[in-house]
Amino acid sequence: DAGVIQSPRHEVTEMGQEVTLRCKPISGHNSLFWYRQTMMRGLELLIYFNNNVPIDDSGMPEDRFSAKMPNASFSTLKIQPSEPRDSAVYFCASSPRDRNTGELFFGEGSRLTVL
Amino acid sequence: QQQVKQSPQSLIVQKGGISIINCAYENTAFDYFPWYQQFPGKGPALLIAIRPDVSEKKEGRFTISFNKSAKQFSLHIMDSQPGDSATYFCAARTEGGYQKVTFGTGTKLQVIP
Repeated sequence: DAGVIQSPRHEVTEMGQEVTLRCKPISGHNSLFWYRQTMMRGLELLIYFNNNVPIDDSGMPEDRFSAKMPNASFSTLKIQPSEPRDSAVYFCASSPRDRNTGELFFGEGSRLTVL
Repeated sequence: QQQVKQSPQSLIVQKGGISIINCAYENTAFDYFPWYQQFPGKGPALLIAIRPDVSEKKEGRFTISFNKSAKQFSLHIMDSQPGDSATYFCAARTEGGYQKVTFGTGTKLQVIP
């Protein structure tokens, strides 16, 4: 079975440019999460979707960040304009309908470098 | 505000030794405590998890010890192997309508031959 698929794996861009990260969750999973990982702050939850609807976006750092989930098999995280402090690894994770398992399935991440 | 505190930040253990990673929490609404393992260039993956009504859970060489009254839990890796070298995250999930998981800051484990 395919796991969570993220693209691009690596992105290098210049300050001020728009960045779009993409995620395809595991088929049948109804929850999707975007996390950001940095050395200083560890794993931070940015936003959570349930059944394609954003439920909690309190972790989105500022208005430059936005996320969408137009259907059950696709989500995007957009940063516009990007800044050097946005450099991090961004992970998408999905989770199945049975919340009792509590397991998050992570993609391999998108490493973003903003120069 | 860090809801799950993890220590140590890094750990070096000799092959065959015991690796111990500790975590503490304050929010009594947490109802599920997973540990995730992350290898370089990969996403975290669930290793083992425990619920607060159980004091210990063992899966192979990995054991979680849970102390509800002290609000602490720990991961023990017995007979540590070089292949265990990775970053380990403790985490906690809150009760409620969805699976909000809060992660600790991570422990980078290196097992030396």
